[in-house]
Amino acid sequence: DAGVTQSPTHLIKTRGQQVTLRCSPKSGHDTVSWYQQALGQGPQFIFQYYEEEERQRGNFPDRFSGHQFPNYSSELNVNALLLGDSALYLCASSLPGSGTGNSPLHFGNGTRLTVT
Amino acid sequence: AQSVTQLDSHVSVSEGTPVLLRCNYSSSYSPSLFWYVQHPNKGLQLLLKYTSAATLVKGINGFEAEFKKSETSFHLTKPSAHMSDAAEYFCVVIPYSSASKIIFGSGTRLSIRP
Repeated sequence: DAGVTQSPTHLIKTRGQQVTLRCSPKSGHDTVSWYQQALGQGPQFIFQYYEEEERQRGNFPDRFSGHQFPNYSSELNVNALLLGDSALYLCASSLPGSGTGNSPLHFGNGTRLTVT
Repeated sequence: AQSVTQLDSHVSVSEGTPVLLRCNYSSSYSPSLFWYVQHPNKGLQLLLKYTSAATLVKGINGFEAEFKKSETSFHLTKPSAHMSDAAEYFCVVIPYSSASKIIFGSGTRLSIRP
């Protein structure tokens, strides 16, 4: 039973470029959330996708956008990259109702993005 | 406003001694509370969760946490530390009404001395 898989594992981009990160949820999960984890900090919620729609969004600018496909996989897109976007980007999947605690988040190993 | 505070950024203990990682939360309603562990260059793994059932919650790898509403705390403990416990630990709160507004603490790095 595959867990959450993310690709690529590492990525180096130049300031101003655009990047796409990919995530496949754990088998049986249909909800995908994305988090940004800067070095030495806790993860920050970016947004959550369910039924191919963005359901909730954290405090991130519109440069951060996403998509969910019919097979529940998801992409995170970041436009006009800034040096401050360098971070570990984590994808987490769950069943609906993750807030009740009955469906905890399952995390991938992340994509390490470096912006130079 | 909901928030979570991990009181120690770094904790160092000797192998075989008890572990205490402290977490305080602020929530308007009954929250769901979690502890996650992150080993280097890895994603986060769920250790345990509290969802308004028993106040003492047992998790994996011998960890447990006690929910104390009067103190708004959810401290993580383990009776005897093992070298493999060295990692970053995150306390997480999910406010009652917003399943997606998951709030992570800033993390506590646990070091184990031989």
